[in-house]
This record gives sequence, C-alpha cells and structure tokens, in this order.
Amino acid sequence: KQEVTQIPAALSVPEGENLVLNCSFTDSAIYNLQWFRQDPGKGLTSLLLIQSSQREQTSGRLNASLDKSSGRSTLYIAASQPGDSATYLCAGYKESGTYKYIFGTGTRLKVLA
Amino acid sequence: EAQVTQNPRYLITVTGKKLTVTCSQNMNHEYMSWYRQDPGLGLRQIYYSMNVEVTDKGDVPEGYKVSRKEKRNFPLILESPSPNQTSLYFCASSYRGDYGYTFGSGTRLTVV
Repeated sequence: KQEVTQIPAALSVPEGENLVLNCSFTDSAIYNLQWFRQDPGKGLTSLLLIQSSQREQTSGRLNASLDKSSGRSTLYIAASQPGDSATYLCAGYKESGTYKYIFGTGTRLKVLA
Repeated sequence: EAQVTQNPRYLITVTGKKLTVTCSQNMNHEYMSWYRQDPGLGLRQIYYSMNVEVTDKGDVPEGYKVSRKEKRNFPLILESPSPNQTSLYFCASSYRGDYGYTFGSGTRLTVV
C-alpha cells in the first residue's frame, strides 16, 4: 500500500511554464510536510517546510500548500527553468509510534530549453 | 555551515565483508535516521535514533546495525553485506524528528 502518491510520476515542460506537482496521502493524519529536490545520484535538498499550523510556504518561485482535510499538498513552480530539472519528493510526518517521514516516490521533472 | 556529512560517498565491497558508513551532523540535532533509496521503492527508513543511546528499527532493519554513542554521530554497520543491500543510503537529522529534516549527500554502496 502506497501511503504517499505523487502525480505525475514524470513531467516534461518547455522553459517558462508554470507547473504544479501533486502529493497526496492515504492517511490525512499526516502533518508537517516537507518538499525536497533530488538531482540524479545526489542527496535531498530541502525546498519548503509546512508545519501543521500552516497552510502554505513560499520561497522565490516556489509555493507549497497543504490541505490537511483532504491529505493533499501541491508544489507550484513559477516560470520554470532548465535548472529546475530534478526529481521532486514530498514527505510527511505521521505519528504512528515510529518517528519517521513517509516519502512519496517522486515526480521527475524535465524543463526543456 | 549546518550539514550532515556521510562517508564514504561511494563504496564497492564483497559479500560478507563488514563495513561501516559514518554519519555526522553539526546542528546539535537529537534525532537521526538512516534511509535507503531503491528504484521504484522510494526512500525507506532503516533505523532511527531519538537521542544518545536510544535507537529503534525502521521499516527495513534486517542486516543492519546502528549505534548512537555521541549526539553528533550515527554510524550504519553492515556486519555481513549481501548483494540485496546494494543501494543508495542517506543519513538525515532533525531537531525533534517530526519536521525539518536535513539529509547527507548519500553513500552509493555496491555489494558484489
């Protein structure tokens, strides 16, 4: 059972487009959500962190929102650039007796020049 | 600079030869964790530690050991590596464990 679903799994867009990446949790008890970027073979770079009392966070061209009632988060990227090409992962904390983030399998984004 | 440092970055070893992957953080975080990343399976937690001398199993702990003798260090030990442990490994730390994870750069392990 996949607890975290990211849609789409892959996305290819021309440079300059605005785009939305989706993350949904089967268990809406998830809170404290974090978006990461991962370049091929590299580590995870934190992009945005939304704590349970917040609904959205913004950093530059990135905006992330969290709707706890529906168990969904979106990452909005404005004016995409080739340098945005990477895999984007969402992760949420679920209080289940073990302390861990639950990760989605990611969206592979390619921005074409 | 606040960071999580893993070593080595790349490691090729043979089946059964004990190895240790080191992880160190300089943020005075109480929580540390190890994940492995495999194609199609995403990131899965191996072990985590809430503080010094406090460790617990994650989702895939078989074949791994950890220790937390100091707050900053959380090594991952493979006593007898097998080919199915070939993977990309990440160490992470967090102030409390429920948000704000910082990840290391990863260790790509190949067991032949």
